[in-house]
Amino acid sequence: GAVVSQHPSWVICKSGTSVKIECRSLDFQATTMFWYRQFPKQSLMLMATSNEGSKATYEQGVEKDKFLINHASLTLSTLTVTSAHPEDSSFYICSAPGTSGSYNEQFFGPGTRLTVL
Amino acid sequence: QKEVEQDPGPLSVPEGAIVSLNCTYSNSAFQYFMWYRQYSRKGPELLMYTYSSGNKEDGRFTAQVDKSSKYISLFIRDSQPSDSATYLCAMSAGGGNQFYFGTGTSLTVIP
Repeated sequence: GAVVSQHPSWVICKSGTSVKIECRSLDFQATTMFWYRQFPKQSLMLMATSNEGSKATYEQGVEKDKFLINHASLTLSTLTVTSAHPEDSSFYICSAPGTSGSYNEQFFGPGTRLTVL
Repeated sequence: QKEVEQDPGPLSVPEGAIVSLNCTYSNSAFQYFMWYRQYSRKGPELLMYTYSSGNKEDGRFTAQVDKSSKYISLFIRDSQPSDSATYLCAMSAGGGNQFYFGTGTSLTVIP
């Protein structure tokens, strides 16, 4: 149980285009999901908290107009990187609290590697 | 000062060795302590989850938390080549508060 999937696993795009990344909870419902970014040899940095039925909460320094989050249903959250630039190239990972409902048991998706040319 | 400090390694050990991975932290409000394993180009996988101080054992893995020293450890006994990965510590104050991650320690177990 508590499986989180992401799609796509790897995307390459041209500078200036937009990229959508999907995060799904496969066997449980998640009213909250988290989006992280991980640069090579660095730790995960929380970007935003995605809430079903309401606006996402962004961490300080994260541009909400650039990283659009939509929590469309209890099993799906999407992150759209708008007008992507090479500095946005990173590993994007989502997570969701487990079936216990505890935020302290987060289960992570496999990640999406974004390369912006 | 970072919230969580973790030696990035890399750490290389022979198969069968006991591995000790550690993190220190500065926020005394942290109550929940997690260890994740991350293979290259994959998402983190939850290994151990501990609340407050004490030890927790699961197979070859033992997690220790010493809140008085703000120090947590993960021990891996009889290490296997399949244990080669990056190990991330994470912690939170609970109640839906943000997770704070260490930078991860890269471990290689040599057959």
